[in-house]
Amino acid sequence: DAGVIQSPRHEVTEMGQEVTLRCKPISGHDYLFWYRQTMMRGLELLIYFNNNVPIDDSGMPEDRFSAKMPNASFSTLKIQPSEPRDSAVYFCASSSSAKEFDTQYFGPGTRLTVL
Amino acid sequence: DAKTTQPPSMDCAEGRAANLPCNHSTISGNEYVYWYRQIHSQGPQYIIHGLKNNETNEMASLIITEDRKSSTLILPHATLRDTAVYYCIVSQIPYGQNFVFGPGTRLSVLP
Repeated sequence: DAGVIQSPRHEVTEMGQEVTLRCKPISGHDYLFWYRQTMMRGLELLIYFNNNVPIDDSGMPEDRFSAKMPNASFSTLKIQPSEPRDSAVYFCASSSSAKEFDTQYFGPGTRLTVL
Repeated sequence: DAKTTQPPSMDCAEGRAANLPCNHSTISGNEYVYWYRQIHSQGPQYIIHGLKNNETNEMASLIITEDRKSSTLILPHATLRDTAVYYCIVSQIPYGQNFVFGPGTRLSVLP
């Protein structure tokens, strides 16, 4: 398996611009998670999906953030408009309920810098 | 809020066993203990998990106290590549639980 794939790996944008982060989960996994990691707040869950349906988005910081999962093999996290405080590493992870236990497999992350 | 407490940092000599402690005094009966690690600039990686029995796999061993209020992750022969932040997490099954990552323990394996 290729593992969880994220793109782009690095993104530099200016304040006010729209940013879209992409994630391809491991084939066959039915859970998908979006996390954000900063030095100040550590690793925090933003939202997660089960069978393409958002289950818990209580971690999404504000309305500027939105996430979609149009099919089982693709998800996006969008920030519009972006702000400097959104600078962070964004991780996508996936897991399978067919497994005996909940192992989340993480992607390599997208490092976002908002100037 | 994280349900676990870990020391912020530890050192270990290369080739020696690294013992990473974790306190989870409020753990409930149906919560598992998970360990993940994050090597610099990479996504977190699953290591091991357990409920009440000690567990061992190719990466590490997990020792859980009888009262389940604490556990220890053991890397039997630490290498430089084991330098990472180690996270202890408690979580229920079923799946899709909100893993709450605390600050973890930064393990430095020294040559």
